[in-house]
Amino acid sequence: DAKTTQPTSMDCAEGRAANLPCNHSTISGNEYVYWYRQIHSQGPQYIIHGLKNNETNGMASLIITEDRKSSTLILPHATLRDTAVYYCIVRAVGGANSKLTFGKGITLSVRP
Amino acid sequence: DTGVSQDPRHKITKRGQNVTFRCDPISEHNRLYWYRQTLGQGPEFLTYFQNEAQLEKSRLLSDRFSAERPKGSFSTLEIQRTEQGDSAMYLCASGNVNTGELFFGEGSRLTVL
Repeated sequence: DAKTTQPTSMDCAEGRAANLPCNHSTISGNEYVYWYRQIHSQGPQYIIHGLKNNETNGMASLIITEDRKSSTLILPHATLRDTAVYYCIVRAVGGANSKLTFGKGITLSVRP
Repeated sequence: DTGVSQDPRHKITKRGQNVTFRCDPISEHNRLYWYRQTLGQGPEFLTYFQNEAQLEKSRLLSDRFSAERPKGSFSTLEIQRTEQGDSAMYLCASGNVNTGELFFGEGSRLTVL
């Protein structure tokens, strides 16, 4: 799996948008960008994934640059419950090697 | 609840004892993964199964560790002769081969005294 780099931490005010960046300059053509988050003492939770088009679901939006070397996860209206570690992972779907390889992630702190 | 369940949630044991964790995946999922997580680190991959076949094992999985998935349903992770360095959260996840989402359980926290 290609490696990703994320800032160590960031914070945002409750109700504002949280924009979490991720660099994945060595991503391969068949690799997707995945985002998971982990709230303290819980297992990781899937948020969203995409290949090259921007994606949106009920939790977040994923913006992938045209060259696919970086992406941004957007939480449009952050709440205190969004305080968590967010992991950006690139991964090929299917095939023999399909495990998720986690880095240290970015710790998002949402302040009141 | 139809999510991934793990048992026990917490286990405290003495060094040298054997421990076993169980994972019940989401029933329609054919892939099952084990991860280990220590404080301040992201989850580290240990092994995964497709149905009952163990397809990959990490170098982290020493010979004291063994995982099984009989009949392609639940899975067990056994640690023999536990060491203090085995203290961690052991996470199980399940998914399907052609989709990207993995669903994680709440984990089993092991403390080795």
